[in-house]
Amino acid sequence: EIVLTQSPDFQSVTPKEKVTITCRASQSIGDSLHWYQQKPDQSPKLLIKYASQSISGVPSRFSGSGSGTDFTLTINSLEAEDAAAYYCHQSSSFPITFGQGTRLEIK
Amino acid sequence: EVQLVESGGGLIQPGGSLRLSCAASGFTVSSNYMSWVRQAPGKGLEWVSVIYSGGNTYYADSVKGRFTISRDNSKNTLYLQMNSLRAEDTAVYYCARAWGNFDYWGQGTLVTVSS
Repeated sequence: EIVLTQSPDFQSVTPKEKVTITCRASQSIGDSLHWYQQKPDQSPKLLIKYASQSISGVPSRFSGSGSGTDFTLTINSLEAEDAAAYYCHQSSSFPITFGQGTRLEIK
Repeated sequence: EVQLVESGGGLIQPGGSLRLSCAASGFTVSSNYMSWVRQAPGKGLEWVSVIYSGGNTYYADSVKGRFTISRDNSKNTLYLQMNSLRAEDTAVYYCARAWGNFDYWGQGTLVTVSS
């Protein structure tokens, strides 16, 4: 099983800050890594697919990078509405796995 | 517009069975990969199962042999038959379209396994 480890688990940030969340895979997964945002009491929402591909309708301040085992989700100029949990997910091999999540709090 | 609507959740005793449904609109379930993902209260996301367009199915080890994913093409609906339920199966269950990434999600249905 491919284990995805996110860091940090929690971060408290101020608006307009730049935020970086990392996701490390226990073995190489190429670019089969996707990012989701989940706000309280809502379903997850796809933010970035295949490590760095943008999704229509997602603000351009969200971007992704990485390949192999190390991946990064970057949020430029954080906004209050970005308070949420963020998850990475690998589709390289079964079982499909998610990172444990990173909770962002806006100060 | 793509929409996924889950139903069938509720309170069930340990050892019981439940069938979840996910009605899709805006696309054809049988032409896509479809998954179930669950989230225990206050916890992260856990993949449960996937059904491919060709009919192949895969399961997480935690549910293998107890859960069955299926679809009804005439109703454009995805199902999850859950048997021998355990307390640790308590979660919100989401259906999602699963072309590699999960690009569309339902609103979820809560399953509570408790005596």
